[in-house]
Amino acid sequence: GEDVEQSLFLSVREGDSSVINCTYTDSSSTYLYWYKQEPGAGLQLLTYIFSNMDMKQDQRLTVLLNKKDKHLSLRIADTQTGDSAIYFCAERFDTGNTPLVFGKGTRLSVIA
Amino acid sequence: NAGVTQTPKFQVLKTGQSMTLQCAQDMNHNSMYWYRQDPGMGLRLIYYSASEGTTDKGEVPNGYNVSRLNKREFSLRLESAAPSQTSVYFCASRDGRAGGYEQYFGPGTRLTVT
Repeated sequence: GEDVEQSLFLSVREGDSSVINCTYTDSSSTYLYWYKQEPGAGLQLLTYIFSNMDMKQDQRLTVLLNKKDKHLSLRIADTQTGDSAIYFCAERFDTGNTPLVFGKGTRLSVIA
Repeated sequence: NAGVTQTPKFQVLKTGQSMTLQCAQDMNHNSMYWYRQDPGMGLRLIYYSASEGTTDKGEVPNGYNVSRLNKREFSLRLESAAPSQTSVYFCASRDGRAGGYEQYFGPGTRLTVT
């Protein structure tokens, strides 16, 4: 079955690292995504990782994928107040048109 | 290049009224999607269109209809609005071919049904 789980809330202090976790149940996922939603806006793609990769780094963002445990994480280094948003994990099962399956989102609050 | 556009941005309806939410994309994408977002529920797929001329139900299709008017446009219709349809509605599009990694989202339509 298709299910993506995330914790709903995370609070960190400005300058600390944030780690947002996600678990998924379908081992046939081909791509896994992290989207960011700022207040009153749509979703924007932050980064994605292919299922045959373990790690991807992009500036302050590090994505780790543990396929054995079906666990995906997003680490934001030096978290800033502008990082306050809802972060969605999503998975995709093939290379075609299959819709992405989204988690419920993690609301990150950054305390100055 | 506007990406994905949605109209209207806000709408208030009375129970039983009908309306159509419009969505258009200018990226020549094959696939288009309608989601609703409710607090604590994340994004739930209502309908999608893998390509022009096809539509499929998602997780929560009841009370909605869709039309893929052409490759650019994908509309969502509420025939008889109910308070349970109060939500934020997002349209999205994706290339759909192998390598079409990113799904692009519109800014959303905030609908209130009283």
